[in-house]
Parts: sequence; C-alpha cells; structure tokens
Amino acid sequence: GAVVSQHPSRVICKSGTSVKIECRSLDFQATTMFWYRQFPKQSLMLMATSNEGSKATYEQGVEKDKFLINHASLTLSTLTVTSAHPEDSSFYICSARGGRAHETQYFGPGTRLLVL
Amino acid sequence: GQNIDQPTEMTATEGAIVQINCTYQTSGFNGLFWYQQHAGEAPTFLSYNVLDGLEEKGRFSSFLSRSKGYSYLLLKELQMKDSASYLCAVMDSNYQLIWGAGTKLIIKP
Repeated sequence: GAVVSQHPSRVICKSGTSVKIECRSLDFQATTMFWYRQFPKQSLMLMATSNEGSKATYEQGVEKDKFLINHASLTLSTLTVTSAHPEDSSFYICSARGGRAHETQYFGPGTRLLVL
Repeated sequence: GQNIDQPTEMTATEGAIVQINCTYQTSGFNGLFWYQQHAGEAPTFLSYNVLDGLEEKGRFSSFLSRSKGYSYLLLKELQMKDSASYLCAVMDSNYQLIWGAGTKLIIKP
C-alpha cells in the first residue's frame, strides 16, 4: 500500500499557541488529502477535504479560521490549529488519495495533540 | 440520510473465525472499504469491494451484496494481534467516504 507520513507524532502545547501538523504522501501524488479528528473511543470525524492548489472544503461545524489547511503541493498538506485550547486536544489523522476519486485513502500515523 | 451500521463490539476466541457485519444506506455507491484500527493508532486499509461477491486476502475476506446494502468482513484463524476496531466505510455518489462507528473486536485466548 501507499505510504503517508505525519509529523509530529505527538505534541504538547500551551493554550493560546498555534500548532502545525504536516502530512506527506511519500510514494504517490496525493491529489486529495483529508483531515480527521478522533476523540478517545469515538469514531473518525472528517474535518476537511483539500485538493492540491485549491481551498479546503470544511465539514459543517468545523471552523475554517481555527483549523487552517494548506495543500500547496501534490505531496504535502498542513493543518494548523490556531489559538489552541484544551478542548482541541485530540488525535488528528490525515489521509491521502491519488488522482481518481474512487481510489483508496491511505492514512498517516496520526498526531496526538495535548493542549495544556 | 446516510447511515452505516455495524456492531459496537464482538468477542471471539484465538484460532476461531469471526464475521463482522456492516449494513449501509447511502446516496449512491462507489465501493465499500474495510479498515483496521489498533488502539491509539491510525486506520490501515484492509479491503475494497465494489462488485458483489467475496474478495479473499489471506486470513481476511470481505463480502458485498449491493442489492441488500450489506457487507461482512471475515477473519479466520484469529490471532491475538487481530484485537482492534474494524471500520466499515462506504463511498457515496460524491466519492465521499461515509464511516461506520467501528466494531471493537476482542480476542480471548
């Protein structure tokens, strides 16, 4: 299967600071990347979908000014959590898909964010 | 609305066989995916079905019936490492993945 990396794997930050998470597709061109959030013992929640070179599409209830997504190249997307608060503490997972819409999404290993 | 149903939790014995069911109601259908997710880790891809029938891949098999809106994941010769959550996801007419809540599978010795 395709390889997707995510960095950092774990981050602890103070309330009010911003945190950037990187998602990279290592061996394929990711036309579309997805950002998910997962709270303990809950299912995946899609936050936004981003296509290379265009603005991300956010799911209902997700603040686009708080969760900034950039997909500047076919191998890199970033999620920036701005002015993080303790309730933003969660497991953030990205996934990537190639150029055809029906293709499989491959997931990065996830980033565990803890906001103090 | 769109809906994916799968059991919340199942328990099975090491060495046995277990079948995890998934039923779905979605606006359109462009395939069904199964993912495995170990606690604290991201999901990993297991299988993709878009045509009716059984797809076998080692100890894991996945079945699809589009007319019934039904799929199952069959795990044979269960090992302790198979303890995980199994996520069913359907790709709808907009090529969006609709996720089930996952089935937590507990393997006992």
